[in-house]
Amino acid sequence: AQSVSQHNHHVILSEAASLELGCNYSYGGTVNLFWYVQYPGQHLQLLLKYFSGDPLVKGIKGFEAEFIKSKFSFNLRKPSVQWSDTAEYFCAVNARAAGNKLTFGGGTRVLVKP
Amino acid sequence: DGGITQSPKYLFRKEGQNVTLSCEQNLNHDAMYWYRQDPGQGLRLIYYSQIVNDFQKGDIAEGYSVSREKKESFPLTVTSAQKNPTAFYLCASSIGISVYTEAFFGQGTRLTVV
Repeated sequence: AQSVSQHNHHVILSEAASLELGCNYSYGGTVNLFWYVQYPGQHLQLLLKYFSGDPLVKGIKGFEAEFIKSKFSFNLRKPSVQWSDTAEYFCAVNARAAGNKLTFGGGTRVLVKP
Repeated sequence: DGGITQSPKYLFRKEGQNVTLSCEQNLNHDAMYWYRQDPGQGLRLIYYSQIVNDFQKGDIAEGYSVSREKKESFPLTVTSAQKNPTAFYLCASSIGISVYTEAFFGQGTRLTVV
């Protein structure tokens, strides 16, 4: 079945460490890619998105993601995390092949220790 | 302020009862969605609507029903046929269901069956 996969369910790291969260999808053709973040007790909000153009996209709060079409990947990165980055992160894909529905990965819970 | 309002925030239901979750948006968006969030499974699409008086089943529609009589409203009914209804429910909207669009989310309703 076509899907969106996030490789890590839980990540624990210390402040100032670098973060990379993996996301792979299996849809062919035109796709739009998103990373959403859900901070504790808050609603889901958009971190960054890729529609076209430069495959390296920058989002809010120092996050960036790289679209690698040949690998069907859209990994999220942050060079130096802060305690306030503790949250759950979701990769999502909007694919014409899937009827343009927004499909989410399973999420990655990130805990940043002070 | 423009946004998506879900109510109530917490909902308790006895087994065998139907319950309706409210979702209202004032963003003038055509498309609306209902997702269910369970730990480790990400967000799974229940139903979505591209336009008033039209809606389609998502990936896990069994035991749920929706209506879209007004552009700004997309209520979700969790019926007694839903075998495992305890979950966090998220409503979202987007300008349209074309590929080039992002979704905005409400704060969610946590449903507990007692």
